[in-house]
Amino acid sequence: DVKVTQSSRYLVKRTGEKVFLECVQDMDHENMFWYRQDPGLGLRLIYFSYDVKMKEKGDIPEGYSVSREKKERFSLILESASTNQTSMYLCASSLSGRSEAFFGQGTRLTVV
Amino acid sequence: AQTVTQSQPEMSVQEAETVTLSCTYDTSENNYYLFWYKQPPSRQMILVIRQEAYKQQNATENRFSVNFQKAAKSFSLKISDSQLGDTAMYFCAFGMNTGFQKLVFGTGTRLLVSP
Repeated sequence: DVKVTQSSRYLVKRTGEKVFLECVQDMDHENMFWYRQDPGLGLRLIYFSYDVKMKEKGDIPEGYSVSREKKERFSLILESASTNQTSMYLCASSLSGRSEAFFGQGTRLTVV
Repeated sequence: AQTVTQSQPEMSVQEAETVTLSCTYDTSENNYYLFWYKQPPSRQMILVIRQEAYKQQNATENRFSVNFQKAAKSFSLKISDSQLGDTAMYFCAFGMNTGFQKLVFGTGTRLLVSP
């Protein structure tokens, strides 16, 4: 079974802090994604990566950056957390050429 | 750009009954996939069913089936013999199989199955 693991289920951070959300997948997938989930808005793509050290902006990249130094790991970085970044963050991965994605269990981030 | 619309924010059904969740999408592409994902209270997104656009036959997975109308750009999910464990958020999603294979999601439908 594909496993996508996010480092935390719940996080509480203070405004202005630098926040790292980590995601690891164990199936050698080329593509990795970070989505943000908010009530009534569904899932919105923040960033994605199709190879090591490669990244592409999604629909809502402002206030976020990403890092992919190894194929299995994709990190989402909030450079200076703000209260409007309080949300559920979902990591996903997929094989190259396949749009079917496998998801982690989500990180609920609260910025106070 | 592709868009996915789910017009039913919430639905409810009684156990053992059948329910249909609606989804429409917009694209100028011809070669794509459509998905239904389930997100139960545990938050783990689970793939329920997948439809390839070039296939005319509707996909079926046990109690779950789709009605794919390509010309109308409609992709509804039918759940037969609903079970309490079907209670979840259901997301319709669109994905390409060329280029960057990112998924575009609808806003979701919250389904409540009651005894």
